[in-house]
Amino acid sequence: QVHLVESGGGLVKPGRSLTLSCAASGFNFGDHYMSWIRQAPGKGLEWVSHISGSGLTIYYADSVKGRFTISRDNAKNSLYLEMNSLRANDTAVYYCARDVGATTWDHWGQGALVTVSS
Amino acid sequence: DIQMTQSPSTLSASVGDRVTITCRASQSISTWLAWYQQKPGKAPKLLIYKASTLENGVPSRFGGSGSETEFTLTINSLQPDDFATYYCQHYDTNFRTFGQGTKVEIK
Repeated sequence: QVHLVESGGGLVKPGRSLTLSCAASGFNFGDHYMSWIRQAPGKGLEWVSHISGSGLTIYYADSVKGRFTISRDNAKNSLYLEMNSLRANDTAVYYCARDVGATTWDHWGQGALVTVSS
Repeated sequence: DIQMTQSPSTLSASVGDRVTITCRASQSISTWLAWYQQKPGKAPKLLIYKASTLENGVPSRFGGSGSETEFTLTINSLQPDDFATYYCQHYDTNFRTFGQGTKVEIK
């Protein structure tokens, strides 16, 4: 049974950094692209970044490029999102999700809330 | 960048109704489109991919159609469990983008 659990969310001041983690289980983690998707309070979904199974292919949304870094540790079945220079409009629930062939997402975590506020 | 536009933003319907949601792409995307259902406080759930292929376990009352720039999600005989927000999503090699969502509420 596929299980994704995000952690590391919380309240952070503008300009500061925060790293999210996603612990995966129930599937061959290294075989799958993985993604981060976020949802601001009361708003729609926004894809943030995805990473190939090997970690060699990475893409970011323009809104986070240069500030966020996605990474993975296949030995630990874990996905990460390092977020730097955080802004108020980065406030959102951040979901990790398992890719289906680098296209859609068939399994999602429960989400981690990141609040950027002074 | 390709933009995805859904309509309507909100839809009021009754149990048993047939409901149609439209998603338009700003340029041709072939059939690289998925649909998700999201309920309050929950993660989205994949319903349909490649415009018309039903994800395993999704009830057959859900259907997707379309290609190029215009797509529809149809729910036949709306059930109480179907009141939710629906998102279309385009996928490409290096980016993914969502429509703004359609909330299906009880009439």
